[in-house]
Amino acid sequence: GENVEQHPSTLSVQEGDSAVIKCTYSDSASNYFPWYKQELGKGPQLIIDIRSNVGEKKDQRIAVTLNKTAKHFSLHITETQPEDSAVYFCAASILGNEKLTFGTGTRLTIIP
Amino acid sequence: DTAVSQTPKYLVTQMGNDKSIKCEQNLGHDTMYWYKQDSKKFLKIMFSYNNKELIINETVPNRFSPKSPDKAHLNLHINSLELGDSAVYFCASSLGQGYNSPLHFGNGTRLTVT
Repeated sequence: GENVEQHPSTLSVQEGDSAVIKCTYSDSASNYFPWYKQELGKGPQLIIDIRSNVGEKKDQRIAVTLNKTAKHFSLHITETQPEDSAVYFCAASILGNEKLTFGTGTRLTIIP
Repeated sequence: DTAVSQTPKYLVTQMGNDKSIKCEQNLGHDTMYWYKQDSKKFLKIMFSYNNKELIINETVPNRFSPKSPDKAHLNLHINSLELGDSAVYFCASSLGQGYNSPLHFGNGTRLTVT
């Protein structure tokens, strides 16, 4: 089955700087890669996703890149703000298969 | 206007008891899930139902039994609770099979077994 590794497990960044979280996956058939943000006491919420037919996707301060050859994808947050502090999860799945495999999470702390 | 709601939010119970967690979604989605998040924040799928039919059943003890009375509801019943069952349980929903649509999570039920 699919295995998703995520690094780093914790990340502290000065407000205004950029943050990068990286994930690798094992199953070359995976073609859908969402990122979720989990705030304290809440469920994970989708922030951005990418499909294997594109290499990069942006949404304001958030971007995701995908390298299918190397089987890794990354989340980039620019101009970080205190409200970006949360736990971030990457995930992978195969089109048509509803089973998402999650990474182990990254606790991001933005230092004011 | 809560999209995915689960009750209760907190559940404290003793070993050996039986308990249920309820979940409802008002998004019109066809697929619902139960995920377990352990103390290290690791999220793992337990079950998935599509239109009341079980489609994913991971390696979960048979003390856990999901029930879907209709496609808007997916409940989780746990028999003979054990200390290791302590975790946060999340219900989620999505459009349905083949869409790879985003999961919409509820806010979780923190289960503590003493």
